This record gives sequence, C-alpha cells and structure tokens, in this order.
Amino acid sequence: DVKVTQSSRYLVKRTGEKVFLECVQDMDHENMFWYRQDPGLGLRLIYFSYDVKMKEKGDIPEGYSVSREKKERFSLILESASTNQTSMYLCASGSSIEAGAFFGQGTRLTVV
Amino acid sequence: AQSVTQPDIHITVSEGASLELRCNYSYGATPYLFWYVQSPGQGLQLLLKYFSGDTLVQGIKGFEAEFKRSQSSFNLRKPSVHWSDAAEYFCAVGAPNFGNEKLTFGTGTRLTIIP
Repeated sequence: DVKVTQSSRYLVKRTGEKVFLECVQDMDHENMFWYRQDPGLGLRLIYFSYDVKMKEKGDIPEGYSVSREKKERFSLILESASTNQTSMYLCASGSSIEAGAFFGQGTRLTVV
Repeated sequence: AQSVTQPDIHITVSEGASLELRCNYSYGATPYLFWYVQSPGQGLQLLLKYFSGDTLVQGIKGFEAEFKRSQSSFNLRKPSVHWSDAAEYFCAVGAPNFGNEKLTFGTGTRLTIIP
C-alpha cells in the first residue's frame, strides 16, 4: 500500500513563527501536493511539485513556500504564521493523473 | 481551467436506504474524475475513478459512479448504506497536462446516517 506520512497530526504555533510541515511518501511518486482544507471550502491546492526541486503554485500560494530536495519528501513552509492559516493541511502524492492522488492523515495546525 | 460543483452540503439517509451524491464538473474535454471519502479526523481515501471506457465504474466499499457527458455529471451511488458510510465525500476532477497534473476538488458533501 502507498504510504504518505505527515510528520505531525496536531500543531500549535504562535503568530509570526516560521512553521515547517513535512510529508514523506514511500512509492517513488513524481508528483506531490499540499492542500488546505477548510469547512465549506473543500480542498484548495497550495503548491505542487512534479519533480525534485520543481514547484508550481496552486490556487492559494500566498503566505506559503515549499521545498523538495528529495523525491520522497515535500515540505510546506509558513514563513510567518498568521491566525488565518489555522487549518487542516493535507499532503498527497501520485504517479500520474490517471492513478489519482494518495493522501496523508493531515496536520491540524492552530496558530494562536 | 477545470472546476467541480457538489451542490449538496449535507445529506441525511437512513441506514439501509439508497444513496446518491451529486457532482458536476466543468472541463472542455473528457476529464479524469474521482470520488474520495474522508472519515472524521482522517485523510482522504480514493473510492473510485473514471477516465475512459465503461461509464459506470465500480469502487470500493460497494460504491459506484456513472459518468454522463451530456450532463457533465459524475454522481456517486450506493444501493444500501451502512452506518460506517457516515463521512465526508469529495468529488475531484483532473486534466492531463504534463507538469500540471493536479486535482481540483469540490467543497464536499457530508453524509449522516440515521438508524
């Protein structure tokens, strides 16, 4: 089975802190994604990557950056956390669009 | 750009009754279509997918979905729901485009099962 592992299930951070969310997949997938999930808004794509050191902005990239130094790891960075970034963050990976995406368990981030 | 609409925010169904969750998409050609389920506090699990061939696709947990090009729809169905089906369901659309193969999700439908 594909496994996508997010480093934390729950995080509480202070406003202004730099926050790192880590995601690792074990299936050698080329594509990796970071989504944000909010009630009533569904999943919105923040950034995605289709190769090492490659990244593309999604629909809501403002306030976020990403890093992909190795194929299996895709990190989401909040440069200066704000309360409006309190949300559930979901990482996913996939080999192709036909295969769909496989999701991690999510990280619920609270910024206080 | 592709988009997805799930018109029902919340649906309540009696255990044993049939279920249909609606999904409408917008895309110029035949898209790749997916249904995912999310149990409380969990990530998303792929239920089924469609990108070509038979327009009625079978998935896991007894779910099926039918692609109707004329209606731009991909509705999810189950003949008899179980209490364990209570969850949030997301429809997603993808388009083949090298370097931009992302999924766009709908806003989700929350399913409640009553005894």
